[in-house]
Amino acid sequence: EAGVVQSPRYKIIEKKQPVAFWCNPISGHNTLYWYLQNLGQGPELLIRYENEEAVDDSQLPKDRFSAERLKGVDSTLKIQPAELGDSAVYLCASSPTRSPYNEQFFGPGTRLTVL
Amino acid sequence: AQKITQTQPGMFVQEKEAVTLDCTYDTSDPSYGLFWYKQPSSGEMIFLIYQGSYDQQNATEGRYSLNFQKARKSANLVISASQLGDSAMYFCAMRGGMEYGNKLVFGAGTILRVKS
Repeated sequence: EAGVVQSPRYKIIEKKQPVAFWCNPISGHNTLYWYLQNLGQGPELLIRYENEEAVDDSQLPKDRFSAERLKGVDSTLKIQPAELGDSAVYLCASSPTRSPYNEQFFGPGTRLTVL
Repeated sequence: AQKITQTQPGMFVQEKEAVTLDCTYDTSDPSYGLFWYKQPSSGEMIFLIYQGSYDQQNATEGRYSLNFQKARKSANLVISASQLGDSAMYFCAMRGGMEYGNKLVFGAGTILRVKS
């Protein structure tokens, strides 16, 4: 079974430029999450989707961040414009609707560097 | 509010020995789940073990076991017979009940280095 796929793995951009990250969850997983992980810290939730609906986006900085999950499968996270402080790893995770633990399966992340 | 505390920034262990990684949590929700994830240098978070708040027995998964002490609000991870491949960052996380959806709150992590 394929895991969560993310691309790109690495991205370097100049500040004020836009950037987008893509995530393909595990097949059949209805719930999708985007996390932000700063260096030396644990991941923090940005947004959670149930199918195509964003059910928790309370921690998404909506002035510059946006996300979408059209058709309830793939998802894209966008930053426009990027700031120096956005340099971090952006993790995507998915979980099945029914599972014993509702554990989340993570992708390898996208490491963003803003210069 | 929910909070996870991992007080050990880094740990060393000799190969083949056991090691305990500490985790304490805080929540007012009687229903919650506790997770441990491993994050090697490649960056991917790997699920290791789960403990539910109503589980009577400590969870075990191969060389991993979770020392769950509910009254003390601790959920320490025990890795037995450490291997060089266990060197990684380890995160403790908590998922609250219905009020919190399926949101995971992570601790700051502990870096484990296994010495040969």
